[in-house]
Amino acid sequence: SQQGEEDPQALSIQEGENATMNCSYKTSINNLQWYRQNSGRGLVHLILIRSNEREKHSGRLRVTLDTSKKSSSLLITASRAADTASYFCATDASGANSKLTFGKGITLSVRP
Amino acid sequence: NAGVTQTPKFQVLKTGQSMTLQCAQDMNHEYMSWYRQDPGMGLRLIHYSVGAGITDQGEVPNGYNVSRSTTEDFPLRLLSAAPSQTSVYFCASSYSGAEQYFGPGTRLTVT
Repeated sequence: SQQGEEDPQALSIQEGENATMNCSYKTSINNLQWYRQNSGRGLVHLILIRSNEREKHSGRLRVTLDTSKKSSSLLITASRAADTASYFCATDASGANSKLTFGKGITLSVRP
Repeated sequence: NAGVTQTPKFQVLKTGQSMTLQCAQDMNHEYMSWYRQDPGMGLRLIHYSVGAGITDQGEVPNGYNVSRSTTEDFPLRLLSAAPSQTSVYFCASSYSGAEQYFGPGTRLTVT
C-alpha cells in the first residue's frame, strides 16, 4: 500500500511561476525523499529531508517537513518548461535496507 | 561510470514463459532494489538486497525471484509470466540505503 500520497495529482502552471506539491504519509519516518521522472525515463533523486529537519534547500527546490502533520511540501521556484515531469515523494520508515515506499506521483506541466 | 543499467529495454512474453530481467551497477553500492510501475499506482517494491547474498521481499514479491551473488548484479526472474505482470520494471541502487539511483527501466508486456 502507498505510504505517501501526493497532492494535487496534476498541476499546470506558466513558466516563471512557482509550483508547490504536497505529500502526506501515514507512519513515522526516518526520512522523506522527492524524485522526478521525465516521460519514459527512470527516476532521479532530487532531495532528501530527515525526520529531525524542517526545511531544506537545493537550488530552486525547497522542501519542508512537518512530522506532527505527517506531511511534506516541495516548492519549485521560477519554474521552467524543462521542469515538466512527474514528481514522487518516497518515505523511508525502516531506517535501513533501502526500503522506500513511493506515492502515486504528481504530474507537473510547465507551459512556456 | 555507467551507473545502473538494465536489459532488455523492451520485452514481450507469452503467458507462462519465464525470463530474467538484468540489472547491473558499477558504483559499488550495497543496496539494490526492484520496483514495478503501473499507471496510477506509483512504484511498488518487489524485492530488495542489502548486500551480496542477502535478499528480502518487498510489497509485491509474488511471481518473482531474485538472487544477489555479486555486489554488481541483481537479476529479477519471472517464473511463469502472467498478464498482471505487464508493467515497467525499474532497478535501483544505493550506497547508504537512502538516495537511490534508478536504471532506465524495462517495459514488459505479457500476452
